[in-house]
Amino acid sequence: QVQLVQSGGEVKKPGASVKVSCKASGYTFNNYDISWVRQAPGQGLEWMGWLSGYNGNTNYAQKLQGRVTVTTDTSTSTAYMELRSLRSDDTALYYCARGSGSSPQGLDYWGQGTLVTVSS
Amino acid sequence: QSVLTQPPSVSGAPGQRVTISCTGSSSNIGAPYGVHWYQQLPGTAPKRLIYSNTNRPSGVPDRFSGSKSGTSASLAITGLQAEDEADYYCQAYDTSLGENVFGTGTKVTVL
Repeated sequence: QVQLVQSGGEVKKPGASVKVSCKASGYTFNNYDISWVRQAPGQGLEWMGWLSGYNGNTNYAQKLQGRVTVTTDTSTSTAYMELRSLRSDDTALYYCARGSGSSPQGLDYWGQGTLVTVSS
Repeated sequence: QSVLTQPPSVSGAPGQRVTISCTGSSSNIGAPYGVHWYQQLPGTAPKRLIYSNTNRPSGVPDRFSGSKSGTSASLAITGLQAEDEADYYCQAYDTSLGENVFGTGTKVTVL
């Protein structure tokens, strides 16, 4: 069965960087896009960006341009999301999901989420 | 500030029908891409509920249905059950922004 398993929670200071991993299993990793979505405490879902499984192209939310990078390691079927210059309002649950959102199937499988806390 | 607007909350008694609207524009819901809906139960990751406007993944009860007309989409829940208490989000691709957008989210309460 399809599974996306994310790395554990992180506590970071303002200005630092965080890198969250998402290990996929149960499907051919390269055949699907990977998206990242975050959710601040008590707030709604915010799309961050995605990486094409077909050609490795990326697309990021304008709000996060320049601070976020999504990469993959196809040898381990793992996706990564790095967020730099962290601020307190980056405190959120970060989810990886299979798909690009613009694809006909939407985001069909989700990871369990990784809590990133930014605090001095 | 999301470009897709949903009512903050809807409620209904068990067995009733409730609908959740998702209002956008010609660059997102009105664009030739599908609208998707997600259910987020308390303390859990979102789960895909409806894809490409009207399609239900296997395992999703047929009490859930989606529709789209012009620049709006709707999710209907018929025969409301206690386990349907959750937050629901619509999602679409915005051709003007060049990115995916989520709705503001709707909390469904079963009275």
